[in-house]
Amino acid sequence: AQTVTQSQPEMSVQEAETVTLSCTYDTSESDYYLFWYKQPPSRQMILVIRQEAYKQQNATENRFSVNFQKAAKSFSLKISDSQLGDAAMYFCAYMDGANSKLTFGKGITLSVRP
Amino acid sequence: SQTIHQWPATLVQPVGSPLSLECTVEGTSNPNLYWYRQAAGRGLQLLFYSVGIGQISSEVPQNLSASRPQDRQFILSSKKLLLSDSGFYLCAWGDSGIEQFFGPGTRLTVL
Repeated sequence: AQTVTQSQPEMSVQEAETVTLSCTYDTSESDYYLFWYKQPPSRQMILVIRQEAYKQQNATENRFSVNFQKAAKSFSLKISDSQLGDAAMYFCAYMDGANSKLTFGKGITLSVRP
Repeated sequence: SQTIHQWPATLVQPVGSPLSLECTVEGTSNPNLYWYRQAAGRGLQLLFYSVGIGQISSEVPQNLSASRPQDRQFILSSKKLLLSDSGFYLCAWGDSGIEQFFGPGTRLTVL
């Protein structure tokens, strides 16, 4: 079975600085997708960024980028120029290419210091 | 555009009482539908998913059940709630792509 591990329960970053959130996963599949979701205090789950395993290029969405290390099964999220609105819980998630079921990590709470 | 609704937003129920949570999607047809539960301090756990009317797959054995009486309606039920059923329940939908879109969620407290 696939597993997703987020070992850091909390992190803090100064506004305008850069922070990296870590995630590792375990799978025997070669076709899969990885995601980072943001859950603000409203608890609405928002997709931040996604990465297809077959793509070597790391995904980027504005201030958000990933470092996808397929061999190491690592998928970290980098947030540049952190803003107060980035404060939230962030979840790493995995989806097998053969089905559409998401497996989530336990999440990390990110706080942003003004 | 597509929207997803969940109700109620908040629910407090006694142990042993029944449960019915509803999820509806607008603006799309034949979506894949999902129920997730988020326990306190934990990630989301997939409970049920459905690829069509009357087609329900269960991921975790428990005292919950799901039904899909209409194409864009997904219901989560229980005949008798347990304390361990407390949590935040999220419904999501997806199309033929890989992205899933989540509803606003229902906070369930079982006392």
